[in-house]
Amino acid sequence: ETGVTQSPTHLIKTRGQQVTLRCSSQSGHNTVSWYQQALGQGPQFIFQYYREEENGRGNFPPRFSGLQFPNYSSELNVNALELDDSALYLCASSGDGGPYNYGYTFGSGTRLTVV
Amino acid sequence: DQQVKQNSPSLSVQEGRISILNCDYTNSMFDYFLWYKKYPAEGPTFLISISSIKDKNEDGRFTVFLNKSAKHLSLHIVPSQPGDSAVYFCAASRGADGLTFGKGTHLIIQP
Repeated sequence: ETGVTQSPTHLIKTRGQQVTLRCSSQSGHNTVSWYQQALGQGPQFIFQYYREEENGRGNFPPRFSGLQFPNYSSELNVNALELDDSALYLCASSGDGGPYNYGYTFGSGTRLTVV
Repeated sequence: DQQVKQNSPSLSVQEGRISILNCDYTNSMFDYFLWYKKYPAEGPTFLISISSIKDKNEDGRFTVFLNKSAKHLSLHIVPSQPGDSAVYFCAASRGADGLTFGKGTHLIIQP
């Protein structure tokens, strides 16, 4: 499978609820990372997984958690949603050759609105 | 504290001329720098990268220059084409810390 696909594309949740966002990475890409992009801002790094283990985390609270599966899919879970969690959530993957020659491949994102 | 800054929210350039997008950073530990292009309703697309041990990298119409002493990098697009109109993000990397992005510059190519 080529490219990175994310689901759903749009989502509306109520404050205090929990949400799971899904990502299907490009086949062979063992590194997956998640980013939050607020309106008018650049993407902010949430965390990164390599071969199903978290190996990097940005400045996000523990209520942001993730999983990576052997079939190159991954999840971002957010508990106790807050209004400020409203943003575009981007999934990105890269192969073992490293992201620097070919960059991370990003999905089109999930637009989350918390009301 | 913004570690990667793109101080121009927008830039307008005539078709065929050179587009120069600028980026400044504060963290001297960054070891790779990347440029991404983003169209509305799409994810960022990788354009070009440069290692901190180099000062220039070129790929077709795109060239990235790195000035480590000034903590400054720039992306040159020549010649600029209408399809280059998009938001351009500068990003920096340090190991497994993920990418640190700037806020982006909206490039508009005018016919």
